[in-house]
Amino acid sequence: KQEVTQIPAALSVPEGENLVLNCSFTDSAIYNLQWFRQDPGKGLTSLLLIQSSQREQTSGRLNASLDKSSGRSTLYIAASQPGDSATYLCAVPAGANNLFFGTGTRLTVIP
Amino acid sequence: DAGITQSPRHKVTETGTPVTLRCHQTENHRYMYWYRQDPGHGLRLIHYSYGVKDTDKGEVSDGYSVSRSKTEDFLLTLESATSSQTSVYFCAISETATSTDTQYFGPGTRLTVL
Repeated sequence: KQEVTQIPAALSVPEGENLVLNCSFTDSAIYNLQWFRQDPGKGLTSLLLIQSSQREQTSGRLNASLDKSSGRSTLYIAASQPGDSATYLCAVPAGANNLFFGTGTRLTVIP
Repeated sequence: DAGITQSPRHKVTETGTPVTLRCHQTENHRYMYWYRQDPGHGLRLIHYSYGVKDTDKGEVSDGYSVSRSKTEDFLLTLESATSSQTSVYFCAISETATSTDTQYFGPGTRLTVL
């Protein structure tokens, strides 16, 4: 069974710092990997989806990389802002219609 | 934002009572999903639908049933609520299968079973 792990569970950084969030998965036979953001009391917002044939995807200050062979993905956030404070979740497909989620990294950006 | 609404947004009920949660979408997406989110477990799939009247079980389906009579609506029913079903429930939609497409999530329903 696929297991998705995100370490650390929580992270605090000062505003302006560049940071990296980590996601690891046990079964490398994945079609894609997605990163989501969840604000307190809210639903999930899709940030980036990396197909298995890609190595990275970028959107604004966010850059996600995927290394299937090592079972790892990273989400790089440049020049962090207080508005980036949220929980970040990674997820990989399990079969055609299910996603396995990590338990997330709660990010706090301190002004 | 994808047009997904969930109702109710909050509900408190008693053990043994039936509960129905509703997910409504305006995107005409084929696939709809119900997840629950619990501390320490992340999100887990309860049931999903791949078309009108076409549904299947997910990872944690025991104690739950679903129905989809229209493209836009996906109902989750707890036949006899238990305290272990206290959770936050999220509906999600996707245009194609999860293996190739992203999912868009609703705002969630916080359910408390006393």
